[in-house]
Amino acid sequence: GQSLEQPSEVTAVEGAIVQINCTYQTSGFYGLSWYQQHDGGAPTFLSYNGLDGLEETGRFSSFLSRSDSYGYLLLQELQMKDSASYFCAVRAPDQTGANNLFFGTGTRLTVIP
Amino acid sequence: DAGVTQSPTHLIKTRGQQVTLRCSPKSGHDTVSWYQQALGQGPQFIFQYYEEEERQRGNFPDRFSGHQFPNYSSELNVNALLLGDSALYLCASRAGLAGGYEQYFGPGTRLTVT
Repeated sequence: GQSLEQPSEVTAVEGAIVQINCTYQTSGFYGLSWYQQHDGGAPTFLSYNGLDGLEETGRFSSFLSRSDSYGYLLLQELQMKDSASYFCAVRAPDQTGANNLFFGTGTRLTVIP
Repeated sequence: DAGVTQSPTHLIKTRGQQVTLRCSPKSGHDTVSWYQQALGQGPQFIFQYYEEEERQRGNFPDRFSGHQFPNYSSELNVNALLLGDSALYLCASRAGLAGGYEQYFGPGTRLTVT
C-alpha cells in the first residue's frame, strides 16, 4: 500500500519563502509529484521529481531524496494567490506494471499580508 | 484546446439511488482515471481506464463501476448510494497507460447524498 504524510496547515507571510514537506512509504516508486488545489477547483500539476535532487520551475522548486523517502515543495516570493491546498502524490506501479497517482492528505497554505 | 470536462457540476441524490458521472479527457489523451475527494482529504484513486478496459483499481467496492467509450470519454457509476459517498469526484486524463507523469484534472462533480 501507499502512505504519505504532510503537515495539515502552514501559514506564511506574503513575500516570504515556505517549505512543505512530504514523507512517503510505498510499495514501488516512480516519482513524486506536487499538485495545487484552490478551494472549489481542480488539482493542477506543479512539478515532478523522478530522480534525486532539486527541480525548479519559476517561484516553485521541488526536491526529492529517494533514499530518505522524502521530498519537499519550496514556494518563494509568496503571493496571496498561492493560498491553496498542496498535495504530494506518489507515482507508483501496481502488480500489473501500470502506474497511477496516490495522494497525501494535503497541506493547506494560508498566505497573510 | 479543451481541457478535461466533467458533467454534471453538482448532483444531489438520495441514499440507495444510483448515479452516473461523465468525463471527457483532454484532447490527445487516451487514459482516464477517477478519484474521490472527501472534504479536507486528498484525492483517492478509484480506477483507471485505457483502451475501454479497467486497468487498475483502488480500494473501492464493486458498487463503483465505470466505462470508457471508443472516443476515450468515460463514465463513473455508483450504485446503492451511501451517505459516505458524498464527495467531489474528479476525472483525470493523460496520454498513455504507463507513461506520462502529469495528469490533467477536470473541475469535478460535487455529489451530495442525503
